[in-house]
Parts: sequence; C-alpha cells; structure tokens
Amino acid sequence: AQTVTQSQPEMSVQEAETVTLSCTYDTSENNYYLFWYKQPPSRQMILVIRQEAYKQQNATENRFSVNFQKAAKSFSLKISDSQLGDTAMYFCAFREKLTFGTGTRLTIIP
Amino acid sequence: SQTIHQWPATLVQPVGSPLSLECTVEGTSNPNLYWYRQAAGRGLQLLFYSVGIGQISSEVPQNLSASRPQDRQFILSSKKLLLSDSGFYLCAWTQQGNYGYTFGSGTRLTVV
Repeated sequence: AQTVTQSQPEMSVQEAETVTLSCTYDTSENNYYLFWYKQPPSRQMILVIRQEAYKQQNATENRFSVNFQKAAKSFSLKISDSQLGDTAMYFCAFREKLTFGTGTRLTIIP
Repeated sequence: SQTIHQWPATLVQPVGSPLSLECTVEGTSNPNLYWYRQAAGRGLQLLFYSVGIGQISSEVPQNLSASRPQDRQFILSSKKLLLSDSGFYLCAWTQQGNYGYTFGSGTRLTVV
C-alpha cells in the first residue's frame, strides 16, 4: 500500500523568508507522480507543483520548488520569498488514486 | 476549457436522512472521477473512483455509495446518514493517462 507522511502539522515563517515543508512516502512502484496541493481557507484544492519520478531534475514553479530524493522517498517543498497569500494547508500527494498526507498548516507572519 | 462543478456547497441534514451530492465535468470525455472526504483538520481520504460509466471502485467500506450514470457525472449517495458522515466532500477528475488532478469546490456536509 502507498503511504504519504507529513511530519510537520504546523509551521510559521516571517513574510519574505524561505520555508521548507517535508514529505516522505512509501511505494514499490518505480514510475509515479508526486504533487503538492495548497488548500487556503476557501478549502479549494489548488495544485502547486508536480514531479515525475523518472525525471531527475527537480520541478520549479516560480517561488515554489521541490527537492525530490527518489532513493530516500522524500519530496520536500521549498517556498521562497514567502507571501501572506501562501498561508494555507499544504498537502503532499502521490499518484495513482492520489493518496494524500495529513497536511502542514503554514502561516505566513507579516 | 474543462471545468468541474460540484453542488451543493453546504448541506445540513438530520441523522437517518438520505444524501445525494452531484459532480459534473465539462469540456472533456471519459474522465477518471474521484470522491474524497476531508474530516475537520485532517487530510483527504479517497472514498470512490470511477474510470468509466457504471464502473465504481470503493476504497473504504462505509455508509456511502457512488454511481456514474453518465460519462461526466459522478454522484455520492447515502440511504441513511450517520453523524460520522459529516465532513468536507471533494470531487476530482483527471484525464486517463494524464497526471493532473482538478478538484471541485467541495461540499460541506453537517449531519445533525
């Protein structure tokens, strides 16, 4: 069975600082996809970034980047120059059938 | 462009009453469809998924059922709601072979 673990239930950081959210997973598959989703207070699930396991290059989307360590089964999200609008729950997820971690509540402090 | 609609947005139902939540996708054909539930302060739990009309897979045994009467319609139902059915329900879709998931805006269900 596939499992996803997020060990940081809550985090806070000053505006403009950099923050890293951790995620580990367990799978016996070799080719798969990993995702980070953001859920703001509106509760809409918003895709932040995705990574294909067969790509060695870490994915980057503007201020968001990942550190994908396939051998360690680790998939952390780095948010640079954090903004107040980044305040949300962040979920790490694994495909197939999109298995989610329990989430990290991130608060950006002005 | 593809869009996903989910309704109602909010629902308060008494224990023992039936439930019907609907999700439709526009602008695509033969999508994979999913129902997730999010308990307060928790992650998302996959309830059902469907890869085609009439094809439903259940991930967790529970008081709920799902149906897919049309290609782009996915319905979550219950004959008799329990207090433990309260939560936030999200519908999602992805194109077969594609790795992107798109979520609906969710339904907040409170069973009283």
